[in-house]
Amino acid sequence: SSELTQDPAVSVALGQTVRITCQGDSLRTYSASWYQQKPGQAPVLVIYGKNNRPSGTPDRFSGPSSGNTASLIITGAQAEDEADYYCNSRDSSGNHLVFGGGTKLTVL
Amino acid sequence: EVQLVESGGGLVQPGGSLRLSCAASGFTVSSNYMSWVRQAPGKGLEWVSVIYSGGGRTYYADSVKGRFTISSDNSKSTLYLQMNNLRTEDTAVYYCATGTDLYGGPDYWGQGTLVTVSS
Repeated sequence: SSELTQDPAVSVALGQTVRITCQGDSLRTYSASWYQQKPGQAPVLVIYGKNNRPSGTPDRFSGPSSGNTASLIITGAQAEDEADYYCNSRDSSGNHLVFGGGTKLTVL
Repeated sequence: EVQLVESGGGLVQPGGSLRLSCAASGFTVSSNYMSWVRQAPGKGLEWVSVIYSGGGRTYYADSVKGRFTISSDNSKSTLYLQMNNLRTEDTAVYYCATGTDLYGGPDYWGQGTLVTVSS
């Protein structure tokens, strides 16, 4: 299967911890990347590979993975974290990119 | 600093054609894979096509296969997407993106160019 499944929407209270999940068979083979997208802007990479953060990504973001599920965890969510989040991986061949449907995060 | 700048979007009638360009700088195009990803209004990200360095292997989403062609000119550090027989459902912002990990997601994205297919 080449599908990645995300919950459409998640909310979190300011300063609390939130987990956004991404499920798919290909995650057993290929690592997930996570992207943050704010309205009117291009996606920005926040997690890649085996739980790595690009420079510029706050350390409150982490990206553990187990079996067919990858997670994006924000520990101590801030107002500026309110955005759409997309996971990305590969299909079974490894040649095609695949995106999850996206999760809209609301910080209350 | 890595930069990707898309151009070529616009309004086109159904059945028409457009060619998108993506000018790359700050990295060696031939060392990375280059991809197009689109986003229809109010919708999520959809992968469109990818071209791999070192041989130029190309792949397409089923939704565009046979209609779109991806190519690159490494001497000009430019990626292209030739789009033919456009449909209303191709209306989207088209992003150029690049990655260094052969099996990873894109590291960098352009700001996108809007393609509107309408009569």
